[in-house]
Amino acid sequence: QQQVKQSPQSLIVQKGGISIINCAYENTAFDYFPWYQQFPGKGPALLIAIRPDVSEKKEGRFTISFNKSAKQFSLHIMDSQPGDSATYFCAAFSGGYQKVTFGIGTKLQVIP
Amino acid sequence: DAGITQSPRYKITETGRQVTLMCHQTWSHSYMFWYRQDLGHGLRLIYYSAAADITDKGEVPDGYVVSRSKTENFPLTLESATRSQTSVYFCASRNRDSNQPQHFGDGTRLSIL
Repeated sequence: QQQVKQSPQSLIVQKGGISIINCAYENTAFDYFPWYQQFPGKGPALLIAIRPDVSEKKEGRFTISFNKSAKQFSLHIMDSQPGDSATYFCAAFSGGYQKVTFGIGTKLQVIP
Repeated sequence: DAGITQSPRYKITETGRQVTLMCHQTWSHSYMFWYRQDLGHGLRLIYYSAAADITDKGEVPDGYVVSRSKTENFPLTLESATRSQTSVYFCASRNRDSNQPQHFGDGTRLSIL
């Protein structure tokens, strides 16, 4: 049972383009939605996060858009760079932030 | 240096063997977690611990045992390894404050032959 559905599983974007990764969730008890970035051989690292009372959060080139009614959220990477090439995971937390469900991940490749 | 370290980074073992993966954090974080990462499944929670001597099951606990006698250590044991437990295992920790994110170690790649 996949409570957080992430798409696409892989993405190739040209340098300077916009990378968009989408996630959809089912459990309305989720109340914290982070995105993690993972480079090969490393653990995931928190990139940006949002709470459901906000529709958008921007940090540098990274933006989360959140649609509470549709139960969807997405990560936008503006002006994508080769250094952004990594695997990105969306996640959803509930239960006092102890229970977390991750999406299956999106492998992003930014080509020059 | 402060942080979260996992050992070993790579391990090859045989089915039926017992293997223990170690996790050590220097932040004195209350919460610690064990995940496995598999292609097509993302990260799945195996066990977590809210404090020393307090542990609870996650999504995929079968075949695994954990203990937490000290705040800084959270070992994960496969009592009788099976091929289906071949995976990359990540340990994570975070403070009790709910606004703080989880910090992950760099993982242990475990292969069971």
